[in-house]
Amino acid sequence: QSALTQPASVSGSPGQSITISCTGTSNVVGSYDLVSWYQQHPGKAPKLMIYEVTKRPSGVSNRFSGSKSGNTASLTISGLQAEDEADYYCCSYAGSTTDVLFGGGTKLTVL
Amino acid sequence: VQLVQSGAEVRKPGSSVKVSCRASGGTFSTYTITWVRQAPGQGLEWMGRIIPLPDITNYAEKFQGRVTITADKSASTVSIEVRSLRPEDTAVYFCARERSGNRGHYSNMDVWGQGSTVSVSS
Repeated sequence: QSALTQPASVSGSPGQSITISCTGTSNVVGSYDLVSWYQQHPGKAPKLMIYEVTKRPSGVSNRFSGSKSGNTASLTISGLQAEDEADYYCCSYAGSTTDVLFGGGTKLTVL
Repeated sequence: VQLVQSGAEVRKPGSSVKVSCRASGGTFSTYTITWVRQAPGQGLEWMGRIIPLPDITNYAEKFQGRVTITADKSASTVSIEVRSLRPEDTAVYFCARERSGNRGHYSNMDVWGQGSTVSVSS
């Protein structure tokens, strides 16, 4: 069974940079450049922040960036701001059997 | 485009529920609509999608046979029906517009509905 693993929580101070990792089993991340990242504030719908590993949708701050190395994708947020405090989920195409797979989510706390 | 979902539902175990998602703006008939759910305090879980023209559906293995996604183009509405409900189906159900990459596979979900809460309890 394929899976995407994220750290349960990360934290950083305003102005700092943080990175959230997303490691796939069964070469999920490594095989496809189809990793996306979503930000979710409590009680709200998720919001697309990064797609196809590195692409940023129009309107998303350039403080958010994505990358990939081997079977691990990463989301980096630079210049942390209080409003960045939220849950972040990675997501990827995982092959024809599993199709779409979400990571377990990472809670970002801005200290 | 905006996606507006139906309201909260309360059901008993063993019953069914249908949640709808209406699109306004854009060309509905070209949208792939996907469904994602989130149990209380838990992460996101992909359930399935409907691809327009000619309404091909794909479902996560976990939901095969218990979930049906349909589209009513005249009403610009996609619905998901979940049958044989269990308490663990209690969740917020989101619809989203799904985009595909250059090989036709999932790429991202760029527009989301506001979510519909489904509660299953005896």
